[in-house]
Amino acid sequence: QSALTQPASVSGSPGQSITISCTGTSSDVGGYNYVSWYQQHPGKAPKLMIYEVSNRPSGVSNRFSGSKSGNTASLTISGLQAEDEADYYCSSYTSSSTLPYVFGTGTKVTVL
Amino acid sequence: QVQLVQSGAEVKKPGASVKVSCKASGYTFTSYDMHWVRLSPGQGLEWMGIIYPSGGSTSYAQRFQGRVAMTRDTSTSTVYMDLSSLRSEDTAVYYCARGLSLAAHDYWGQGTLVTVSS
Repeated sequence: QSALTQPASVSGSPGQSITISCTGTSSDVGGYNYVSWYQQHPGKAPKLMIYEVSNRPSGVSNRFSGSKSGNTASLTISGLQAEDEADYYCSSYTSSSTLPYVFGTGTKVTVL
Repeated sequence: QVQLVQSGAEVKKPGASVKVSCKASGYTFTSYDMHWVRLSPGQGLEWMGIIYPSGGSTSYAQRFQGRVAMTRDTSTSTVYMDLSSLRSEDTAVYYCARGLSLAAHDYWGQGTLVTVSS
């Protein structure tokens, strides 16, 4: 079971929208609606931004949205703000009994 | 409010063991599973395992099988992660994280830096 594939970096200007992809297989992303997204600022713990593909926890801005098509999930950040600059990780439940949860490789978001 | 408070940073020699604690408060301890996740320097997040506080059952990622043990103390609402036979590649920040839904962790500890160095 390998890590889910994310682009290493994505950038955008304030106010723009960006999308981060997370590609897996039919054994993880494509097989279950249990995909989550986390934001992590340097030196801080990860923060849950999206769960079960498109659900936002209470308190998370509606500028963050999630979707899935086939084996690829996506996180879209609209109205990009300076504080959105961080690392983002996707995560999925898997069919593997030896690794039931897998994270993505991580994406560094830079606000230009 | 929900809080997960972890023990402090550790420095260990190769071959040694480390035990990290995670004390939960603000919710019913036995109602939510607890995961351990680590972040290695220059690497991404890595899921290590899960413990179900109600019964104490565990499930570990295969790559840690035989080296990791997760336990809990319901009297103090604390979970523990014990990692043995440490090597330099185990240098990382270790997090406990409460399970909300499959693959979703809604509250995280502050992280514990474990440094393995001779």
